[in-house]
Amino acid sequence: DIVMTQSPGSLAVSLGERATINCKSSQSLLYSSNNKNYLGWFRQKPGQPPQLVIYWASTRQSGVPARFSGSGSGTDFTLTIDSLQAEDVAVYYCQQYYTTPPTFGQGTKVEIK
Amino acid sequence: QVQLVQSGAEVQKPGASVKVSCKTSGYTFTSHYIHWVRQAPGQGLEWLGTINPSDARKGHAQKIQDRLTMTRDTSTNTVYMELSSLRSEDTAVYYCAREERDQLLMHWGQGTLVIVSS
Repeated sequence: DIVMTQSPGSLAVSLGERATINCKSSQSLLYSSNNKNYLGWFRQKPGQPPQLVIYWASTRQSGVPARFSGSGSGTDFTLTIDSLQAEDVAVYYCQQYYTTPPTFGQGTKVEIK
Repeated sequence: QVQLVQSGAEVQKPGASVKVSCKTSGYTFTSHYIHWVRQAPGQGLEWLGTINPSDARKGHAQKIQDRLTMTRDTSTNTVYMELSSLRSEDTAVYYCAREERDQLLMHWGQGTLVIVSS
């Protein structure tokens, strides 16, 4: 199975500042035939199901604010939240869908400083 | 719009079985795989398995495949997950999720809490 490792485990950011979450996979998620990285980011608020925020490593899901962006390729990926808002407090997970079983990172808890 | 509505919370004793339903709407039922993912209290997300509603072909996580049964009913656009021989460590919220393509899980049900306790 592909192991997904996120860092940090938690971070506290002031309102309006930037939050950066990293995700590393144990093998490349770049599919050469279509040049796509099979990596998604989810946001999970307490008591709610995960919500897809970013897919194909950098494509923002419909309805997700432009302050969310994803980058990276191969084995190293980043989720950036520019100008953190109060409603962004959540746990964020990366997930690879390159191969079966799909696997998730352990999560990063984002709080307000 | 795409909706996945799951059945309500369950409390079961160790050794028993539980069956969770996921009723879908807003799209062609047979066109998208459904996956099951669980989350133990305070823990991360664990993929359990997937079913193709078109032909009922399935894939399971290795650690749970002997205890997990997934079925579908094309007349009601509903997918079911049954977990047998329940243990305390099966206590979790169980989610169904619709795959957009290639295991990209774009739409999720609200979750079903399953508590295993004597």
